[in-house]
Amino acid sequence: QQQVKQSPQSLIVQKGGISIINCAYENTAFDYFPWYQQFPGKGPALLIAIRPDVSEKKEGRFTISFNKSAKQFSLHIMDSQPGDSATYFCAATINAGGTSYGKLTFGQGTILTVHP
Amino acid sequence: EAQVTQNPRYLITVTGKKLTVTCSQNMNHEYMSWYRQDPGLGLRQIYYSMNVEVTDKGDVPEGYKVSRKEKRNFPLILESPSPNQTSLYFCASRLGVGGNQPQHFGDGTRLSIL
Repeated sequence: QQQVKQSPQSLIVQKGGISIINCAYENTAFDYFPWYQQFPGKGPALLIAIRPDVSEKKEGRFTISFNKSAKQFSLHIMDSQPGDSATYFCAATINAGGTSYGKLTFGQGTILTVHP
Repeated sequence: EAQVTQNPRYLITVTGKKLTVTCSQNMNHEYMSWYRQDPGLGLRQIYYSMNVEVTDKGDVPEGYKVSRKEKRNFPLILESPSPNQTSLYFCASRLGVGGNQPQHFGDGTRLSIL
């Protein structure tokens, strides 16, 4: 079954700290891994994404680390700010064709709260 | 402004009363989909459409219908709503089928079925 398991369900971090959200997947055919950020009352928006041929991707304070052998990937938010408080979803998709081509499978979501 | 627009944003209704949630995008996107968001379950796909008149079931299609008569519109229909369909619903669109393309979401519709 194409599942993506995300943890923790909720996370509280102090301003300036590092937030870490983890995801694990089962289907080795997944070849694209985006993260979406959702603020209250809004829809999710693409934050950052990675392909399995690289182990890390960084955009500003946001970094994805990818471990292909362990079938795990994680989002690190450095110097976390109160404005980062949101729900974060990891996702996985098969971009190379097949019956599940293009379908995004989402994790369960993590509610991040950054205290000032 | 590029956007996905859903209506209504909030709706409280009763079991069995047919309802339609509209979705419209102004980006000329081919691929559109509907999701429901429930605590602890994340976003689950209900239906998707690769283009006009081409729709298919997602992971949780039971109790829902969709249509894609125009490229910009993708309404979600609940013909006989039940309380287990109480949820937060999102419409999304992206340029094409490829999963590596950014998916744009509407701001959601919160449905309460009594």
